[in-house]
Amino acid sequence: ETGVTQTPRHLVMGMTNKKSLKCEQHLGHNAMYWYKQSAKKPLELMFVYNFKEQTENNSVPSRFSPECPNSSHLFLHLHTLQPEDSALYLCASSQEARGGSLGEQFFGPGTRLTVL
Amino acid sequence: RKEVEQDPGPFNVPEGATVAFNCTYSNSASQSFFWYRQDCRKEPKLLMSVYSSGNEDGRFTAQLNRASQYISLLIRDSKLSDSATYLCVVMSYTGNQFYFGTGTSLTVIP
Repeated sequence: ETGVTQTPRHLVMGMTNKKSLKCEQHLGHNAMYWYKQSAKKPLELMFVYNFKEQTENNSVPSRFSPECPNSSHLFLHLHTLQPEDSALYLCASSQEARGGSLGEQFFGPGTRLTVL
Repeated sequence: RKEVEQDPGPFNVPEGATVAFNCTYSNSASQSFFWYRQDCRKEPKLLMSVYSSGNEDGRFTAQLNRASQYISLLIRDSKLSDSATYLCVVMSYTGNQFYFGTGTSLTVIP
């Protein structure tokens, strides 16, 4: 399998449920990201992992909990979500470029999440 | 002020037309710039990077104007398959974060 994969592709959950989103990249990259995309809004960066270390956390509520066990896998654990958390959650990966800055991003197909 | 701003459109153009999008960014120290394409209910895909000298890939030309802090995308000879949302992406000056515009919607009409 190539590129960036995400599972599940669709998820419906209640506000009291706990679920996890999974992302896997097969590109040999060393940085992975979680983004949230809501209608009519730009992609919102949630978390960045660079060499498995979390380097950015853009004021994301604690009901979202990321986990990066290795440079190929990234999880987003969800618990007690709110209806306004319904969105497309995109995972991406990139290769850290020369000088330490991040390279071009490659996205997975996303998980469309609906919170009831 | 938003980090990246784009005209959301929609742009509706006939096949064969030339169309141009602009995108402005707020931080003059921003490092790198990209155009991504996103089809309906699909993930964004890299269309092209934008270099200081400008770059061209077939019918697509991207340019960067650092003095005015904007990047542009020109599509010549539009095809039906060019219909999509085009996202402007700017890398922060620290190099550790990407900022996305809301996207510009393009529909190419037969």
